Amino acid sequence: DTEVTQTPKHLVMGMTNKKSLKCEQHMGHRAMYWYKQKAKKPPELMFVYSYEKLSINESVPSRFSPECPNSSLLNLHLHALQPEDSALYLCASSQLSGRTDTQYFGPGTRLTVL
Amino acid sequence: AQRVTQPEKLLSVFKGAPVELKCNYSYSGSPELFWYVQYSRQRLQLLLRHISRESIKGFTADLNKGETSFHLKKPFAQEEDSAMYYCARGEGYSSASKIIFGSGTRLSIRP
Repeated sequence: DTEVTQTPKHLVMGMTNKKSLKCEQHMGHRAMYWYKQKAKKPPELMFVYSYEKLSINESVPSRFSPECPNSSLLNLHLHALQPEDSALYLCASSQLSGRTDTQYFGPGTRLTVL
Repeated sequence: AQRVTQPEKLLSVFKGAPVELKCNYSYSGSPELFWYVQYSRQRLQLLLRHISRESIKGFTADLNKGETSFHLKKPFAQEEDSAMYYCARGEGYSSASKIIFGSGTRLSIRP
């Protein structure tokens, strides 16, 4: 399996809902990433996990809560989001083998917050 | 701030014409630079990285330290090259690495 998978593909939620995004990879990669991509904009890094530990948090609001239960799985828990949080959320993984690894991206979850 | 700049939001060329997508960087050390591509309805994927110096799908990019540029070139454009192209730089740490993307250039190949 050489792909990063993300579920769900689409998610619509209200501002009071709690939901989670899921990302999975079975390439043996030891780093996993969450990005946010607004329309017609580049991806912006949110979080980096390396060896299942949070290593980078790009000052993301606490309504986004990442979790890495094991080396293959990455979750993003969402609570009390705002309409401006609507975006495509991308997950990526990399090997952590060099100075900067090639990152492999998932197809994304398109999130709409009403 | 160390960043990469893509001056063109949109580049439109005819099939068979040469393509050059511009990328300039500001960085005081030795940059680690990439080109990522996003085809319509496909996931973001690496096209090439400067350290490998290889050609992918006919594209090449040379790091020019004098001009602080990493332009992406292809001698003869094909319709399937239409996509969003991001120049990006890497920041490596002992425990993780991150990629910072430029604003992107949409390449449109006209038949």
